[in-house]
Amino acid sequence: DAGVTQSPTHLIKTRGQQVTLRCSPKSGHDTVSWYQQALGQGPQFIFQYYEEEERQRGNFPDRFSGHQFPNYSSELNVNALLLGDSALYLCASSPGQGTREQYFGPGTRLTVT
Amino acid sequence: QQQVKQSPQSLIVQKGGISIINCAYENTAFDYFPWYQQFPGKGPALLIAIRPDVSEKKEGRFTISFNKSAKQFSLHIMDSQPGDSATYFCAARGGGGSQGNLIFGKGTKLSVKP
Repeated sequence: DAGVTQSPTHLIKTRGQQVTLRCSPKSGHDTVSWYQQALGQGPQFIFQYYEEEERQRGNFPDRFSGHQFPNYSSELNVNALLLGDSALYLCASSPGQGTREQYFGPGTRLTVT
Repeated sequence: QQQVKQSPQSLIVQKGGISIINCAYENTAFDYFPWYQQFPGKGPALLIAIRPDVSEKKEGRFTISFNKSAKQFSLHIMDSQPGDSATYFCAARGGGGSQGNLIFGKGTKLSVKP
């Protein structure tokens, strides 16, 4: 049973560029949440997708947007990259919007130069 | 009110010893308190979790103690092993309309010395 998968593993972008990160949830899970983890910090909630709609959003600017597809996979898009966007981006899936347990993928390490 | 405060920032324990990590919260609407273990270069892995109507939960060598009145909870790792060396995060889930939002502490880096 495959767990949460994310691609790419690593990414280097230049300030001002745009980036798309991808996530496939664990089998049987239909809810995807995205988190940003800065170096030495705990993950911070960006937003959650369920039934192809953004259901909740953390304190992140509109430069951060997302999408969920009918197969429950999800994308995180970040526009106009800033140096401060350099972080590990984590995707977590759960079997239902109200389910407590969230299972994380390995993350995508984004470096903005 | 949306914060989870975790201590200590780092912890060194001898093999076979007990590791204790503490967390405190303010928001009484939080309804779920998980602990995650993260190895370098990996995503956080769900270790054990507790609901606020339970005072203790044990799974193998890992125990959560929960004090609802004090708004504190802690992770105890019994018989700590070098393989337990990792960063541990406590978290809390917002209740009501914030059910998708896990709020994490800043983490505790645990080193278990052989």
